[in-house]
Amino acid sequence: ETGVTQTPRHLVMGMTNKKSLKCEQHLGHNAMYWYKQSAKKPLELMFVYSLEERVENNSVPSRFSPECPNSSHLFLHLHTLQPEDSALYLCASSQDGAYEQFFGPGTRLTVL
Amino acid sequence: AQTVTQSQPEMSVQEAETVTLSCTYDTSESNYYLFWYKQPPSRQMILVIRQEAYKQQNATENRFSVNFQKAAKSFSLKISDSQLGDTAMYFCAFMRGTSYDKVIFGPGTSLSVIP
Repeated sequence: ETGVTQTPRHLVMGMTNKKSLKCEQHLGHNAMYWYKQSAKKPLELMFVYSLEERVENNSVPSRFSPECPNSSHLFLHLHTLQPEDSALYLCASSQDGAYEQFFGPGTRLTVL
Repeated sequence: AQTVTQSQPEMSVQEAETVTLSCTYDTSESNYYLFWYKQPPSRQMILVIRQEAYKQQNATENRFSVNFQKAAKSFSLKISDSQLGDTAMYFCAFMRGTSYDKVIFGPGTSLSVIP
C-alpha cells in the first residue's frame, strides 16, 4: 500500500449503531487529519493529530470520537449518529514543515 | 477569522483551451500559504499548486499557474491547454504559516473539460 488508505470505502449504518473508520498513512508523516465533506458545503476540518496528540478540535459533536494510537494510524469512532452526518469522510496526513496534505480516498458514510 | 471564497460553482472549457478559476480570501495574517487542490470524480484529492505568501513570484507547475495578488487577497488558478483529465472539483485553500494549523477550504469549483 502507498500513500493514505481508508477503510471501509462505503458504510451504511443505523442511528443506533457503533462503527469505526480507519485511516493509515504510509508516508512517514507526523500529522494526521479528519475532514468531513458534505454536498454543497466546504470541507470541514474535524480533528488534527500531531505526534499522536490532538491539537485541533473544531467543536465536533461527541458522537464522533477520534483515536490516534501511533503516527501511522488514525481512527474515527462513530456512535448514535444522525442522518445529517451522512457525508464523505476524508483522512489526510502531512509532514511538519511541508504543509502539503496528502488525502485518502475517503469513506462514504450513509446514516439511515 | 479567515475565509475562502470561490465565486464560480461550475465552469466548463473546451479541450486545449485556457481557463481561470478564481479564489479570494480574507485574513489579517502576514505569513500564510495558499493551495489549489484537485478532486477528480471518485478519486483522491491531490495538491495542484502551492504559493507562499512571502514570495512575490507566482507559482507554476507545468500547465498550472497562479496569479497571486496579495494586496487584493486574490489567488486565481490558470489551466493552460486543458485536458479531459482536468475535469474535477478544484478547491482553493488557506493555511496560516504554522504547522498543523487549520487549513480552510473554499466551497470548490466544478470544472468540466469538453472534448
